[in-house]
Amino acid sequence: GAVVSQHPSWVICKSGTSVKIECRSLDFQATTMFWYRQFPKQSLMLMATSNEGSKATYEQGVEKDKFLINHASLTLSTLTVTSAHPEDSSFYICSAGPRTSGAPETQYFGPGTRLLVL
Amino acid sequence: GDSVTQMEGPVTLSEEAFLTINCTYTATGYPSLFWYVQYPGEGLQLLLKATKADDKGSNKGFEATYRKETTSFHLEKGSVQVSDSAVYFCALINNAGNMLTFGGGTRLMVKP
Repeated sequence: GAVVSQHPSWVICKSGTSVKIECRSLDFQATTMFWYRQFPKQSLMLMATSNEGSKATYEQGVEKDKFLINHASLTLSTLTVTSAHPEDSSFYICSAGPRTSGAPETQYFGPGTRLLVL
Repeated sequence: GDSVTQMEGPVTLSEEAFLTINCTYTATGYPSLFWYVQYPGEGLQLLLKATKADDKGSNKGFEATYRKETTSFHLEKGSVQVSDSAVYFCALINNAGNMLTFGGGTRLMVKP
């Protein structure tokens, strides 16, 4: 159980285009999903918290108009990189966690999406 | 704010060696503690967790004990394999919220 999927796993696009990445919780409902960015040989950087039915909460320094997040249902969140540029090339990872009573949520991660902008 | 500190890598070991990756944390209240593993080119997988003091999380031969007195959650394995080569992340979730705070990651390389 607790599987999170991402699609696509790989995307290569031209500079100036927009790219949408989907994150799905396959066997549980997630009111909150998280989007991370990871640079080579570095830790994960939280970009934003995606809340079902409301606006995402962005971390300081993350452009909300650049990285559009939509959490349309309890099992789907999307990240759209608008007008992508080479500096947006990175590994994007989402996570979600089923809420359990008492202890804070355990988060389960998607397999990641590698974006390369030419 | 909350923080997690891990030993810097890479850690290079021979197969069947004993592994310890140190992790200490700073947090208010009583956080839950986690170890995640990231294999090359993949996302993160939950390896083990502990939700209260003195709990021991274990999985796939790895274990870590939640030590509140030393604010530590060191990862250990008695005999590593080449397939254990990966990056290991220590993390916490504070009971005041649901956001993970990650350590910097430790790369483990196991040689045959």
